[in-house]
Amino acid sequence: ETGVTQTPRHLVMGMTNKKSLKCEQHLGHNAMYWYKQSAKKPLELMFVYNFKEQTENNSVPSRFSPECPNSSHLFLHLHTLQPEDSALYLCASSQADSRGLAGGGTGELFFGEGSRLTVL
Amino acid sequence: KNQVEQSPQSLIILEGKNCTLQCNYTVSPFSNLRWYKQDTGRGPVSLTIMTFSENTKSNGRYTATLDADTKQSSLHITASQLSDSASYICVVRPGAGNNRKLIWGLGTSLAVNP
Repeated sequence: ETGVTQTPRHLVMGMTNKKSLKCEQHLGHNAMYWYKQSAKKPLELMFVYNFKEQTENNSVPSRFSPECPNSSHLFLHLHTLQPEDSALYLCASSQADSRGLAGGGTGELFFGEGSRLTVL
Repeated sequence: KNQVEQSPQSLIILEGKNCTLQCNYTVSPFSNLRWYKQDTGRGPVSLTIMTFSENTKSNGRYTATLDADTKQSSLHITASQLSDSASYICVVRPGAGNNRKLIWGLGTSLAVNP
C-alpha cells in the first residue's frame, strides 16, 4: 500500500468510448502526476499538477484530458483513443520542493498500482 | 542529449546469489539519481535517492553506488530472494533548467529462480 490508489486497475475500451481513470492520494502531497508506461519504452511524463494547477503538459494529444479538482484527486478522461494508446497509466504524487516545483529536488515520487488500458 | 542507459537488459540468477545492475547516464548537470523497483503489473517503488555528494547508500539488501565523475551508478542486491524478481529502473534528475524532468532508464528485468 503506497498511499496512492488508482481505479480501475484494468480497462478495455473501444476507440469511440469515453472513460475516465481515477487517482486518489492519502499522503498529504501537493503535486500529482500522470505517467504512461509502454512496452520497451521508458516512463513518459504526461501531466503535472501542483496545488491543483496544471504546471506541465508534455505535448499530450487532446484525446487525453486531465482534471484535478483538489490536491488529493486526479482524473484522466479518455475519448476517441487509438490502439497505440494501450499502456499502463501510472499516477504518482509528491511534495513540491521549496520553490514550489512539483517533484523538484529530492522529492520522492509515490506511485499507484496503475491502470492497464487496452484500446480495441 | 540527456540519456540513461541500463545494463544488462535482463538477468536470471539463483536464489541466494548476489547481483549487480548498472546505470550509465549522460545527464549534465546532475541533481540526483534514483533507483526504483517495479513488480510486474504494479507501480514503481523507490529504493534509494542519491545526490552527487553521496557515493553509497543502502536500503536493506540493496546497496546503490554513485560515481558522479564517470556518471555511473550500480545497484547491488545481496542474498537475493524470489521476491526480488522485478524490473529495476534507474532515474536521473537534471540539475539545471526550468524543465528538470526526471529521465528514466528502460530498466533491468531481474528473475530470481529457486
